[in-house]
Amino acid sequence: KAGVTQTPRYLIKTRGQQVTLSCSPISGHRSVSWYQQTPGQGLQFLFEYFSETQRNKGNFPGRFSGRQFSNSRSEMNVSTLELGDSALYLCASSGLSGTYEQYFGPGTRLTVT
Amino acid sequence: AQRVTQPEKLLSVFKGAPVELKCNYSYSGSPELFWYVQYSRQRLQLLLRHISRESIKGFTADLNKGETSFHLKKPFAQEEDSAMYYCALTNAGGTSYGKLTFGQGTILTVHP
Repeated sequence: KAGVTQTPRYLIKTRGQQVTLSCSPISGHRSVSWYQQTPGQGLQFLFEYFSETQRNKGNFPGRFSGRQFSNSRSEMNVSTLELGDSALYLCASSGLSGTYEQYFGPGTRLTVT
Repeated sequence: AQRVTQPEKLLSVFKGAPVELKCNYSYSGSPELFWYVQYSRQRLQLLLRHISRESIKGFTADLNKGETSFHLKKPFAQEEDSAMYYCALTNAGGTSYGKLTFGQGTILTVHP
């Protein structure tokens, strides 16, 4: 089975711009979660989608949003980028409706200048 | 609120020595605990989960609800165990909907 894929792998943006990151889950997985990883805050949950519906959301500002398509692929969008948004963004997919085993992608490294 | 604490940021041991990575949690509900590992230049992957009670790569972890701990142990460390280890928690009822709460991680280095 192909693993979770994320595109692009690296991204450099300027403050104030917006960015869209993409995640393709393992075939058959319907749950996709997104995390932000920074040296200071570690791994923090952003949100989770299941069957095109956001079921859970972490404590991030509204500039962070996401969506899921009918094929379970997911995108996350960050608008009005700030320097503090520089991070590794990970997505994870799960085959069950709960959390349980999550399979992580390699991440997208976002640098905001 | 749920919280996971890994008190050691760095842990160094010699090959063949026992190793214990500490994890403490606070959670008012019924928790499910995991250990994830990230080897150099690899993606984050599940090492083990408490409900399976398995030994993976020689590692075991026991959930102690009284002490709210889920320490990871291995009797004889190997150089290939060198990695970043994360303890993570979720709601055992499956209602956390994709949310894992992670500790800050412990970098384990096993010296030859």
